[in-house]
This record gives sequence, C-alpha cells and structure tokens, in this order.
Amino acid sequence: SQTIHQWPATLVQPVGSPLSLECTVEGTSNPNLYWYRQAAGRGLQLLFYSVGIGQISSEVPQNLSASRPQDRQFILSSKKLLLSDSGFYLCAWSVRQGSGYTFGSGTRLTVV
Amino acid sequence: QQQVKQSPQSLIVQKGGISIINCAYENTAFDYFPWYQQFPGKGPALLIAIRPDVSEKKEGRFTISFNKSAKQFSLHIMDSQPGDSATYFCAASGRGNYQLIWGAGTKLIIKP
Repeated sequence: SQTIHQWPATLVQPVGSPLSLECTVEGTSNPNLYWYRQAAGRGLQLLFYSVGIGQISSEVPQNLSASRPQDRQFILSSKKLLLSDSGFYLCAWSVRQGSGYTFGSGTRLTVV
Repeated sequence: QQQVKQSPQSLIVQKGGISIINCAYENTAFDYFPWYQQFPGKGPALLIAIRPDVSEKKEGRFTISFNKSAKQFSLHIMDSQPGDSATYFCAASGRGNYQLIWGAGTKLIIKP
C-alpha cells in the first residue's frame, strides 16, 4: 500500500534561519508531488508541484524553493525564513490527473 | 474560470441533523469533484468524489449531489454526529490538469 511520510511534525525556527522539510512517498512510482501551506483557519495554498524528478513548478513567488532529487522525495527549503512563513505545511501526492490527493500529516512551522 | 466557490464558510448543525455544503464552478472542463475532510492538526483526507456522468454518489452517511447544468455540487451529511465536526473542502480538476482547484473550506460544528 502507498504511504506518505512528512517530517518533522512541528518546528520552531528563528527569523533568518534556513528551512528544510522532507516528504517521501512509498509504494508507488512517478507520483505527482505537491507542497501546500495552510494559514490558521484558512484554506489550502499550493506552493509547488512536481510531475517528475527535477521538474518543479512554482505557484507562489516567495523565499521558498522546492526540489525533487529522487522520484519519491520532495523537499521544501528556504535560505532565510520570514515571520510570514509560519504556517501548516502539507505534502501530498497523486497518481495521475483526475485522481485524488493523499496528504501527509503536515509540519507546523512557527517562525519566531 | 478556475475558481471553485464554496459556501457557507461555517456551519453549525444539531446532532442528528443534515449538514449541507455547496460548491460552484465555472470551468466546464472539470471532470473530477472530490470532497476532503480535515481535522485540526491533520492533513485533509479524501472523503468522497464524483465524476459528472452521475448525479449522485452515496457512501454511508455522506452523499455528493451533482448538477452539471447548474455547475454545482454539494456534500450532504446525514444524521450528523459530533465526530463529523471538521473543516470540509471541495475541489475540482479537469482533463490535462494535474492540479486540484480548491474551495475555501467550510468549518462544520455538530452540536451534541
């Protein structure tokens, strides 16, 4: 069966520090991968998506970046965090167009 | 034309009642309409989905009603229970587009 792992679950980082969030998927190959951010009590904002290794599409210009070094690995990074980067970060995967997403358990990031 | 409009923003229903959440879309190329359920601190989970070749799909107490001509679809939760209290998101996607277009979410509270 397919599973998605996302870590860490919570993270408190100072302003200006770097960030690396990792997401891995097991049990499938060539998944579509997504990074979302959700502000408290708000909706889902798509940040990045990837349809293959090394292929990254950015939806929102900001100080975050994403990389897909392996087929089932998706990384969200920042060189210098801002207060506004605080939020709930969710990784998701889908197998093909017109299919549902499976979300990870999320990372609660607080920038202080 | 890519938007999915969801209403209401919040909803309070008595235990045992029917919860109804509505979504409307403009893009006639959409052909997949899922609903997701999200509990606090967790990632959204696929609840039920429908394609436009049927007008209704039922899974347990959850039913999607789909009106292709009106470009609307809704989630009905029968015999609502306190455990159904969560945020619900509708979404849509179409041919040639891997991305789900999300509604803004509805916070549902079931009063015991």
